[in-house]
Amino acid sequence: DAGITQSPRYKITETGRQVTLMCHQTWSHSYMFWYRQDLGHGLRLIYYSAAADITDKGEVPDGYVVSRSKTENFPLTLESATRSQTSVYFCASVGRRNEKLFFGSGTQLSVL
Amino acid sequence: AQTVTQSQPEMSVQEAETVTLSCTYDTSESDYYLFWYKQPPSRQMILVIRQEAYKQQNATENRFSVNFQKAAKSFSLKISDSQLGDAAMYFCAYRSPETGANSKLTFGKGITLSVRP
Repeated sequence: DAGITQSPRYKITETGRQVTLMCHQTWSHSYMFWYRQDLGHGLRLIYYSAAADITDKGEVPDGYVVSRSKTENFPLTLESATRSQTSVYFCASVGRRNEKLFFGSGTQLSVL
Repeated sequence: AQTVTQSQPEMSVQEAETVTLSCTYDTSESDYYLFWYKQPPSRQMILVIRQEAYKQQNATENRFSVNFQKAAKSFSLKISDSQLGDAAMYFCAYRSPETGANSKLTFGKGITLSVRP
């Protein structure tokens, strides 16, 4: 589903740097989510948003910040990257009455 | 909180054979949705099949079917006539019946399926 895009697809950074992962959807879905995928853990929810300017923590929010000034964008920021944040990050969205989550193609982040 | 358990980290199947991937979950809700997602090496998350808990009939999508046992809280995926393209990681996921923010999925840890030619 090309309606939700993530960038960059790959990112390498160093410990302590700030990194922002972008997510953009074209459906005007109200609800958006950030997951991280780690071997042995599956996908875990970091943050989610119910609408512009409304965000809430998920299962593993520490070290991450999100914002949602516009409905279509939901960036995820690592304020001071750590090696433990090396992971694959997925953005997803769902419409108010839609049962299916749409996923972006993921961002593979390596923190050295 | 709901939990989803996939106890087998890896499985292997011979091409054209049938394989079953196991999943159990824990919830206090009576109505909910269950999903199987496929993740090939491209990383794309592909919805394979969905089951509504209030439906007694097991969902089927071509070669993919589920065995949904509500009382046992079990939701296994059966892949018939396995093909090389079925090789991927498979995730079982749970979602409460509420819409919106509660549409967030709770995932199992995943199982890596390999298909032998």
